[in-house]
Amino acid sequence: KAGVTQTPRYLIKTRGQQVTLSCSPISGHRSVSWYQQTPGQGLQFLFEYFSETQRNKGNFPGRFSGRQFSNSRSEMNVSTLELGDSALYLCASSLGEKLFFGSGTQLSVL
Amino acid sequence: GQQVMQIPQYQHVQEGEDFTTYCNSSTTLSNIQWYKQRPGGHPVFLIQLVKSGEVKKQKRLTFQFGEAKKNSSLHITATQTTDVGTYFCAGPPGGYKLSFGAGTTVTVRA
Repeated sequence: KAGVTQTPRYLIKTRGQQVTLSCSPISGHRSVSWYQQTPGQGLQFLFEYFSETQRNKGNFPGRFSGRQFSNSRSEMNVSTLELGDSALYLCASSLGEKLFFGSGTQLSVL
Repeated sequence: GQQVMQIPQYQHVQEGEDFTTYCNSSTTLSNIQWYKQRPGGHPVFLIQLVKSGEVKKQKRLTFQFGEAKKNSSLHITATQTTDVGTYFCAGPPGGYKLSFGAGTTVTVRA
C-alpha cells in the first residue's frame, strides 16, 4: 500500500505570496490532518478533515485554510505569507487514532 | 485547552546507557501515543497505550501509562545509535485531533 504522499517536497516563497500544499492519504483513509513543525516547537495542529468536512481546527490565523476532496486528497493554503510561516508542514492520514505521516513539505519564506 | 508537556527537551546519552523521557498532560487522556522522528524524517507511530497503568514493551523500549492517565513515560535500555531521533508523545483531548508534546531529542555518544 502506498504511503501518504505530499507535494511539493520543498518550496521557496517570498513574503506576501500564497502557497498551496497537497496531500494524498493512504488509500481508504478518510481522515487527513495537517501539522506545522518548527525547530523546538514540536508539531502544532492546524486542522483535520474527514469526508470533505473540517472536523477540528487548531489555533492558527485565518490565513491558513484547507479543504478535502471527495477522493480524500487534501490541500492546505497559506495566504499572505510571513517569514514566521517557514516550517515543515506535515500531513497525516488515519483510519482510526493512529496517524500515518507523509514526508512533509519544507516551506521557506524569504 | 489540553497541553502535553515532555521532559527533557534534549537527552544526550552514552551508547549502552539507559534513559527515560516523560510526558505529562494537564487533563486526563483517553489514550496516549508515541511517535519517533529520525533526523530529516517524519514522525512514525511507535505505540498506543489505552489502559490506566498499562505497560508495553518493544524490544529495548518500555512504555508506561500512568494510573491517572495524565502521564506517560518511555524508557530505553542499552541505548544504540539507531535510537537517535526525536520522540513525541501525543494525546487526544476527547476530540479527533492529537495534541503533541514538543518532543525529546535524543543524541547518542558512541
